[in-house]
Amino acid sequence: QAVVTQEPSLTVSPGGTVTLTCGSSTGAVTSGHYPYWFQHKPGQAPRTLIYDTSNKHSWTPARFSGSLLGGKAALTLSGAQPEDEAEYYCLLSYSSDWVFGGGTKLTVL
Amino acid sequence: EVQLVESGGGLVQPGGSLRLSCAASGFSFSSYWMSWVRQAPGKGLEWVANIKEDGSKKYYVDAVKGRVIISRDNAKNSLYLQMNSLRADDTAVYYCARGFCLDWGQGTMVTVSS
Repeated sequence: QAVVTQEPSLTVSPGGTVTLTCGSSTGAVTSGHYPYWFQHKPGQAPRTLIYDTSNKHSWTPARFSGSLLGGKAALTLSGAQPEDEAEYYCLLSYSSDWVFGGGTKLTVL
Repeated sequence: EVQLVESGGGLVQPGGSLRLSCAASGFSFSSYWMSWVRQAPGKGLEWVANIKEDGSKKYYVDAVKGRVIISRDNAKNSLYLQMNSLRADDTAVYYCARGFCLDWGQGTMVTVSS
């Protein structure tokens, strides 16, 4: 089974910009992996932010965007807010298998 | 509004069985793949299984193959996860999700312990 890698932790200043990445052990991440991004806060259900690389859910704040960057999927947060502090997970499709990354703990400080 | 409500979790002994249910509303259930995802205590998210709109295709993570069956009843707008031969490492919050995780339920806790 493929391994999906994310930065374990990142810190961003309020109002700042940060990019989270999602890599694959099988090679470059492409649109064919249909990358998803989720925000997960303790005690809550995960919330989908991005699907199919760059499509936003109805509730996704404009400050979040998804892309492919340097062979990885990327989630960029521009203008970080205190409420953005959370765990972020990516999800990649490998035909009949779906694999989550290990998550990135984002601190807004 | 999309709503997904899981039920059926609880405490079960190792080797036991449990059937999780997910009641869906607010969307055309029969038009979507559906998924189960779990999160063990202190761990990350893990995709468990998904099922095609008409139930004709089902896929599972290796860790549950042969022990878990995903199914659906489109007439009842319901998704199910039959879990057998449960082990301690199946202990987790189990989430039902629309499609390939577009929307999520609140989850149901499964604890496997003697």
